[in-house]
Amino acid sequence: DAKTTQPPSMDCAEGRAANLPCNHSTISGNEYVYWYRQIHSQGPQYIIHGLKNNETNEMASLIITEDRKSSTLILPHATLRDTAVYYCIVRGNTNAGKSTFGDGTTLTVKP
Amino acid sequence: GAVVSQHPSRVICKSGTSVKIECRSLDFQATTMFWYRQFPKQSLMLMATSNEGSKATYEQGVEKDKFLINHASLTLSTLTVTSAHPEDSSFYICSSPGQGSGYTFGSGTRLTVV
Repeated sequence: DAKTTQPPSMDCAEGRAANLPCNHSTISGNEYVYWYRQIHSQGPQYIIHGLKNNETNEMASLIITEDRKSSTLILPHATLRDTAVYYCIVRGNTNAGKSTFGDGTTLTVKP
Repeated sequence: GAVVSQHPSRVICKSGTSVKIECRSLDFQATTMFWYRQFPKQSLMLMATSNEGSKATYEQGVEKDKFLINHASLTLSTLTVTSAHPEDSSFYICSSPGQGSGYTFGSGTRLTVV
């Protein structure tokens, strides 16, 4: 699986958009970008994933650059409950593929 | 959506005893289960991959005789920490591909060995 690089921490004001970047310059053509988040002392939660097109769901938007070497997770209106560690993972889209977690970004949403 | 129920959520055991952690898929068949360990302020580290009806595959550096994994049915995978020691104290998390997008994670088990 390709490695990912994320900033260790970010702050965001409540109600503002949180933009979390991820670099995955060694991503291969059949690998997807997945985002998960982990709230303290809980199991990770799936947020969104994509291959090359931008994606949006009820939780977030995912913007993937044209060369697919980086992506940005956007939480449009961050709330205090969005404070968590956000992990960007790259892997193939088979059910046998294991997910390798990097260090993630600790997002702190402040009132 | 797919749900993985993990129990217990917290356990304290004495050094030298064994602890079993269960992960059950509630509404899907979990042919594969991934087991992770997470130390404080660190990321998740994959320990092993279990497939229903076959032996688990362990990551490098993980002792298979210490961390026994059983995946005897499509809805249950267990991790047994044998002869636990204080350095085994950690947060253990299971995960399965589930259905559709993303993997589903259990809620985690906080193991404290005293």
